[in-house]
Amino acid sequence: QSVLTQPPSVSAAPGQRVTISCSGSSSDIGNNYVSWYQQLPGTAPKLLIFDNNKRPSGIPDRFSGSKSGTSATLGITGLQTGDEADYYCGTWNSSLSVGVFGGGTKLTVL
Amino acid sequence: EVQLVQSGAEVKKPGESLKISCKGSGYFFTSYWIGWVRQMPEKGLEWMGIIYPGDSDTTYSPSFEGQVTISADKSISTAYLQWTSLKASDTAIYYCVRRVTVLTLDYWGQGTLVTVSS
Repeated sequence: QSVLTQPPSVSAAPGQRVTISCSGSSSDIGNNYVSWYQQLPGTAPKLLIFDNNKRPSGIPDRFSGSKSGTSATLGITGLQTGDEADYYCGTWNSSLSVGVFGGGTKLTVL
Repeated sequence: EVQLVQSGAEVKKPGESLKISCKGSGYFFTSYWIGWVRQMPEKGLEWMGIIYPGDSDTTYSPSFEGQVTISADKSISTAYLQWTSLKASDTAIYYCVRRVTVLTLDYWGQGTLVTVSS
């Protein structure tokens, strides 16, 4: 059972917008930055969003992140078939001094 | 260009030992923490632990403390993940990651598939 809670799956049509939620506690999300990772089938995860809402170089602005209290959200606009992947949120648990991840959300672009 | 290149896939029997590696290049290896993340078949990501190659300061997730050993050789810019007695439940892909800040993992190795089967 993962520390952070994500929906197992989301789906939307090409061109549409989708959001993925990530819920935690005051020990993790509530007091630390959140990052998001995209894992395309058969590949290693890739950093998508860091420090709640910043995008690394090369990540299109179709991807956005936000955080409020003990929850975070990843938003993807203008969905493309190439966005089909598993998405993970991650942060630090200050009490345990360990990284924690959500269980992952599988995005299907119908 | 920053790269983390991991050692190749391994097939082992229960009870055997194993040490997999992660070689960093394109940056100052001793200046960034290197973590290890497990992904069991068809499952999510799990934090195992982290090491600072500069002084070998290491912390483990409670779930993995005593089960694995994380080490680093800064002279060859390489981090390691080691088991003394593998179990079938250790079958997974193991990723090394570079940690920039807490918890920003900006570069990932390609993953090492470890299969433990009798």
